Amino acid sequence: EVQLQQSGAELVRPGTSVKLSCKVSGDTITAYYMHFVKQRPGQGLEWIGRIDPEDDSTKYAEKFKNKATLTADTSSNTAYLKLSSLTSEDTATYFCTTSGIHGVCGYWGQGVMVTVSS
Amino acid sequence: DTVLTQSPALAVSPGERVTISCRASESVSTGMHWYQQKPGQQPKLLIYGASNLESGVPARFSGSGSGTDFTLTIDPVEADDTATYFCQQSWNEYTFGAGTKLELK
Repeated sequence: EVQLQQSGAELVRPGTSVKLSCKVSGDTITAYYMHFVKQRPGQGLEWIGRIDPEDDSTKYAEKFKNKATLTADTSSNTAYLKLSSLTSEDTATYFCTTSGIHGVCGYWGQGVMVTVSS
Repeated sequence: DTVLTQSPALAVSPGERVTISCRASESVSTGMHWYQQKPGQQPKLLIYGASNLESGVPARFSGSGSGTDFTLTIDPVEADDTATYFCQQSWNEYTFGAGTKLELK
């Protein structure tokens, strides 16, 4: 069974950055595209971007191109999301999820809450 | 970006049939998928490719549509279906709808 385990909740200061991890178990990370999705409290889902761990190619939603950086480590089967220049607008739960080439998000992590506050 | 528009909320009685709509701002062919999210949980895939039922999902759930107009149907609705339902397209990059909150009367 494929499982995605995300790192723990973060409380971070405005203007700093944070790096979130998503470890895949039950399969090799290179079998999937790895996506990250943002959900602000009480709001909908926003697609941030995806990485293909096979070749490290990335795609980002336009609004996150200067905010998010996706990386992957095939040796540890882990994908990472780095968020920079944090503001209160970045306070949200961040999910990682897998897809094949057709973009269907089949497996999801449990989500990690990031709180940006001074 | 392809914008997906969903009605914000619905309230139905158990045993009834409910349809949840999703309209795309441009054609996404059949690259539309549906997810269920309960409070405090991650989303769960229900339907992929507009009309294909994910393994393990009850047959009460079904999807239809192509191009710009899509529907998720639950028939009959059960109490456990209280949740928010999101559509997502993967034809033109990836976007999600704002979600439809389903409540039971």
